[in-house]
Amino acid sequence: AQSVTQLDSHVSVSEGTPVLLRCNYSSSYSPSLFWYVQHPNKGLQLLLKYTSAATLVKGINGFEAEFKKSETSFHLTKPSAHMSDAAEYFCVVRFSSGTYKYIFGTGTRLKVLA
Amino acid sequence: DTEVTQTPKHLVMGMTNKKSLKCEQHMGHRAMYWYKQKAKKPPELMFVYSYEKLSINESVPSRFSPECPNSSLLNLHLHALQPEDSALYLCASSRQGQSTDTQYFGPGTRLTVL
Repeated sequence: AQSVTQLDSHVSVSEGTPVLLRCNYSSSYSPSLFWYVQHPNKGLQLLLKYTSAATLVKGINGFEAEFKKSETSFHLTKPSAHMSDAAEYFCVVRFSSGTYKYIFGTGTRLKVLA
Repeated sequence: DTEVTQTPKHLVMGMTNKKSLKCEQHMGHRAMYWYKQKAKKPPELMFVYSYEKLSINESVPSRFSPECPNSSLLNLHLHALQPEDSALYLCASSRQGQSTDTQYFGPGTRLTVL
C-alpha cells in the first residue's frame, strides 16, 4: 500500500535553533515528494519538491530536504528557525503509477518559541 | 506567476441556499482540483478536472457539483449543504496532471453552513 507518515504531530523549537520535521513514505513505485506549508487560515504554499533529480533539495525560506531511498524518508530541515516559520507543514507523496492524486501526511504543527 | 485565485474568501450559507465557489488560474494549467479541508486535518481530494473533463470524483455527495467552463476557471456549485460541510475549500491547479506535476493551491474559501 502507498502511504506517507509524518512522525510528529507537533514540534516546538526556539527561535534561532534548527528545525527537523520528519516524513516517511511507503511505496512500490518511484515517488515524487513535496513539502507544503500552511499558515493559519491560508492556502498551501509549496516549499520544495523532489522529482528524481538531486537527492538534496533546496526550497524557499531556507528550508531543504533530503530524499533517502534506503530509509524511505524525506525529512525537512532548516538551520535556524524564525518566528514566521510557525505554521502547519504537510509532506505530500505522489506516485508514478499514473494517478493524479496527492497523498498527504497528517501534518506537523511547528511552534517557534521566542 | 504561480497564482491561483479563489472567490469569495468567506461564505456563510443556510442549508436551503444555493451558492457557488470560483477558482481561476492563468498559468496555462490543464488540470484543476477541488479539496475540502477540515480544521487540523490535511486536505481531502474531492474532484479533478483534466483538460476540462471530470476525471476523478472521490464519491462526493451530489449536493456538491463541479463545473469547468474553460481551461482557466473551475466552479463548485453548492446546494442543500449540511452543517458538517463547513470547511476550508481549496482549489489547486497543475500543468497536466502528470505524476511529477506540482499542484499550486489557492488561498481557499472558508465556508460556514448554518
